[in-house]
Amino acid sequence: DQQVKQNSPSLSVQEGRISILNCDYTNSMFDYFLWYKKYPAEGPTFLISISSIKDKNEDGRFTVFLNKSAKHLSLHIVPSQPGDSAVYFCAASAVGSGNTGKLIFGQGTTLQVKP
Amino acid sequence: KAGVTQTPRYLIKTRGQQVTLSCSPISGHRSVSWYQQTPGQGLQFLFEYFSETQRNKGNFPGRFSGRQFSNSRSEMNVSTLELGDSALYLCASSLNPAGDTQYFGPGTRLTVL
Repeated sequence: DQQVKQNSPSLSVQEGRISILNCDYTNSMFDYFLWYKKYPAEGPTFLISISSIKDKNEDGRFTVFLNKSAKHLSLHIVPSQPGDSAVYFCAASAVGSGNTGKLIFGQGTTLQVKP
Repeated sequence: KAGVTQTPRYLIKTRGQQVTLSCSPISGHRSVSWYQQTPGQGLQFLFEYFSETQRNKGNFPGRFSGRQFSNSRSEMNVSTLELGDSALYLCASSLNPAGDTQYFGPGTRLTVL
């Protein structure tokens, strides 16, 4: 039972354009969502998060949108840079239900930004 | 501020052996979570410790165990290693487990032969 899904295994965009990475979830108890960037053989690097009481959060080139009714979130990277090429993971937690310290991860989307 | 550190970075063991991995959280962080990453299963939650107490546990066999010390450093142990235990083991720390962002270490790559 995959509670967090990233249906696109890969995405390729041109440098300077927008990258949009998508994530769907099934558990309505999730109340905190995060995006991480990961290079091979390294740990995930935190990018941006959003609480379920918000529908948008921005940090520099990164914006996360949350649509609770659709159980969908997306990460927008504008403008995309070659250094953004990595695997991006969506993660969710259900802190309010007492499920502390546990993140549920999607399977990841490999982003390639072409110069 | 120093990030999460994990030792060793690489480890090779044989089936049946046991292994202990170590994690030092970011200074001031009291919650430590452990994850296993494999190509087939992705990133899976193992367990979480806060104030030396295991507060949450994932769906892994009892061969996987852990502990946390008073300085928030944590160790995880895997006994009777199996080939399928080969994975990248990741540790993450946060200020507290209640809706706080988790910051990951570089991981320990375990290979079981």
